[in-house]
Amino acid sequence: GENVEQHPSTLSVQEGDSAVIKCTYSDSASNYFPWYKQELGKRPQLIIDIRSNVGEKKDQRIAVTLNKTAKHFSLHITETQPEDSAVYFCAASYVDSNYQLIWGAGTKLIIKP
Amino acid sequence: NAGVTQTPKFQVLKTGQSMTLQCAQDMNHNSMYWYRQDPGMGLRLIYYSASEGTTDKGEVPNGYNVSRLNKREFSLRLESAAPSQTSVYFCASRTPPGQPQHFGDGTRLSIL
Repeated sequence: GENVEQHPSTLSVQEGDSAVIKCTYSDSASNYFPWYKQELGKRPQLIIDIRSNVGEKKDQRIAVTLNKTAKHFSLHITETQPEDSAVYFCAASYVDSNYQLIWGAGTKLIIKP
Repeated sequence: NAGVTQTPKFQVLKTGQSMTLQCAQDMNHNSMYWYRQDPGMGLRLIYYSASEGTTDKGEVPNGYNVSRLNKREFSLRLESAAPSQTSVYFCASRTPPGQPQHFGDGTRLSIL
């Protein structure tokens, strides 16, 4: 079946440094790629998304890049802050199943003071 | 604007008991979803409803049933709860494809 692979599973960075999380998807027809942030005990919340007709999207310190040929997309967080500590999930739309999302396994981002 | 509302927030059941988790959204979304999230793990789709009147199985449907009562409400039922169903259950909804899913705050379910 279709799947999304997410790496790394845990990422520890110094406060102020950049963090990059990568995802690879298998469905070449996928056209929507959201990123969610989940703080401990809370619900997943959308932080940024990108559609297949765009290669990059930025929102302040957060950016997402998409390489359709290679079927991978990445989340970039610059100037990391303690409040960026959370679990981040990527997802890709699955065209043959009513565009439901196929989820990555998550990345635990730890910001060291 | 409440978004996606789930009830109850917490529940403890004994093995074999049944219960229904409720979910309602006020965003006029067509599609609704039920996920489970085990501790330290990702989201696994249980069932979804692409539109009012339709439901489909997701990745882990065994032991669950769903009802799309109307466009606003999508309930999840455990007929005979088992300890393996201890988890956090999230409901989500969205409009057309290519739009983000909006999540409720979750129901924390423990089965003893």
